Amino acid sequence: DAGVTQSPTHLIKTRGQQVTLRCSPISGHKSVSWYQQVLGQGPQFIFQYYEKEERGRGNFPDRFSARQFPNYSSELNVNALLLGDSALYLCASSYGGWGKEPQHFGDGTRLSIL
Amino acid sequence: AQRVTQPEKLLSVFKGAPVELKCNYSYSGSPELFWYVQYSRQRLQLLLRHISRESIKGFTADLNKGETSFHLKKPFAQEEDSAMYYCALMNFGNEKLTFGTGTRLTIIP
Repeated sequence: DAGVTQSPTHLIKTRGQQVTLRCSPISGHKSVSWYQQVLGQGPQFIFQYYEKEERGRGNFPDRFSARQFPNYSSELNVNALLLGDSALYLCASSYGGWGKEPQHFGDGTRLSIL
Repeated sequence: AQRVTQPEKLLSVFKGAPVELKCNYSYSGSPELFWYVQYSRQRLQLLLRHISRESIKGFTADLNKGETSFHLKKPFAQEEDSAMYYCALMNFGNEKLTFGTGTRLTIIP
């Protein structure tokens, strides 16, 4: 079992650029959630997608967007990058999407903004 | 607004001593609470959830609705328990997790 896989593992961007992060859920899992973890803080919820539809959105600006594909993989896009977007971005997957099954986390993508 | 508070950023305990990691929450509905753990160089993983009432790796946690707490306990600490521990609350009906800031537990040999 490969677990949740995220790519890339590290990324360096400059202010104003755009970035796309990718997540492949565990085989059979239909729900994907994205979290941002700033150094010294716990993960903060950004989005949940289930069956290609947005099920939940956290308190993030419209610069953040996401989508889920028919194979249940997901992309997180961030436009007009700011220094404050520097963080570890985590993806989590689960089977049902309603919280009855545990979420499984990936290793994350570390995004650095210069 | 829901919130999870972990008052201790760092906690050091001697091997064999009892461990208690504190977690308090605020939530208007009926909460579903979790403890996640991250060992060195590993990914975040679920340790336990209150509805399952399981004991995982010797850890237990009891939901106290009166005190709005979900403290994590273990009677005898082991060196392999050294890790980062996060308490989290889930919204009923979806999977949004609200995490605390975490407690780094160090077991002193």
